[in-house]
Amino acid sequence: KAGVTQTPRYLIKTRGQQVTLSCSPISGHRSVSWYQQTPGQGLQFLFEYFSETQRNKGNFPGRFSGRQFSNSRSEMNVSTLELGDSALYLCASSLDLAGDTQYFGPGTRLTVL
Amino acid sequence: QQQVKQSPQSLIVQKGGISIINCAYENTAFDYFPWYQQFPGKGPALLIAIRPDVSEKKEGRFTISFNKSAKQFSLHIMDSQPGDSATYFCAASNRGSSNTGKLIFGQGTTLQVKP
Repeated sequence: KAGVTQTPRYLIKTRGQQVTLSCSPISGHRSVSWYQQTPGQGLQFLFEYFSETQRNKGNFPGRFSGRQFSNSRSEMNVSTLELGDSALYLCASSLDLAGDTQYFGPGTRLTVL
Repeated sequence: QQQVKQSPQSLIVQKGGISIINCAYENTAFDYFPWYQQFPGKGPALLIAIRPDVSEKKEGRFTISFNKSAKQFSLHIMDSQPGDSATYFCAASNRGSSNTGKLIFGQGTTLQVKP
């Protein structure tokens, strides 16, 4: 079974731009979560989606948004990029919402210049 | 209340030795405690997980010890190997009452196993 895939793997943007990251969960998985990983703050929860609905949201500004499609694929968007948004963005998928192992993708490395 | 505190930040162990990483939490509603292993350039991968009704869980060379009254849990890696060199994260989740898979992560421990 293929794992969680994230595209693109690397991205360079400049301040003020916006970016969209994509995540394809493991086949059959219906829940997708996003995390931001930085050296200073570690791994921080962004959002969680299940059946196309956002079920939980972390403490991030409204510039961070996401969505889930009917095939469980998910996208996250960051608008008006700031230097501090430079991070590894990780997507994790699980079969269901709260009872299963979360499997992480390799991440998208975003650099904001 | 939502924090998970992990120590040490870094650890150097000789091959064959025991690596021990500790985590502490405050929120007594947490009911799922996984450990993740992350290699450079990769996403975290689940190593082993425990629920609070069990005091110890062992899988191969990896053991989680859980102390509910102290609100602490730890990862023991027996017979540590150079291939175990990675960053380890403890995490906690409140699944039962909040119906979410949201993970709260510790800050991570970089383990180096010297040959």
